[in-house]
Amino acid sequence: AQSVTQPDIHITVSEGASLELRCNYSYGATPYLFWYVQSPGQGLQLLLKYFSGDTLVQGIKGFEAEFKRSQSSFNLRKPSVHWSDAAEYFCAVGARGAAGNKLTFGGGTRVLVKP
Amino acid sequence: DAGVIQSPRHEVTEMGQEVTLRCKPISGHDYLFWYRQTMMRGLELLIYFNNNVPIDDSGMPEDRFSAKMPNASFSTLKIQPSEPRDSAVYFCASSRVKGRQGLYNEQFFGPGTRLTVL
Repeated sequence: AQSVTQPDIHITVSEGASLELRCNYSYGATPYLFWYVQSPGQGLQLLLKYFSGDTLVQGIKGFEAEFKRSQSSFNLRKPSVHWSDAAEYFCAVGARGAAGNKLTFGGGTRVLVKP
Repeated sequence: DAGVIQSPRHEVTEMGQEVTLRCKPISGHDYLFWYRQTMMRGLELLIYFNNNVPIDDSGMPEDRFSAKMPNASFSTLKIQPSEPRDSAVYFCASSRVKGRQGLYNEQFFGPGTRLTVL
């Protein structure tokens, strides 16, 4: 069964600084990978996804993520953080094929942005 | 597109009462998922449907929980009787298989129902 680990529960970053959120997954084959963002009191919104091809994926709101098979990682980055990026971020892995369209989520990383 | 619609957005009830949460998926989506989010356990998949048929309900915590999908545009999650430990945010999500090969596609989430059981 697949699993996802987000090692950082909280991250505090200054506005304008760069941000990197870590995600490690466990899955026996090439996974489908996703990053979602959840603002307070809201549902989850997809930031970006990796299915195949180019391992550097561009998403919305200036985010990007890089799939590294050798490290089983899919880290999320943003070069310059805005105050509106304060939210909780979830990495998720999807199983291909017979397991259906099921996602497994990491525990989330809460990002605080200092002025 | 209106997105995934959930109702009610907030529900406060007393222990022992029946609670019904409702979800309308995005039109044309053939998968529907129910999740529960708590501080302690994070985001948990409770059950999911494909073409209105339950596929995996292994995440449903107890027999007090049940879910139905009578048609492609409506699903309910029922808790009977409710208990304080059921207090959580419940999300519904939907997705659509892409292409004849059944390629994966992302899930679209509703705004959630915040349930408080007193």
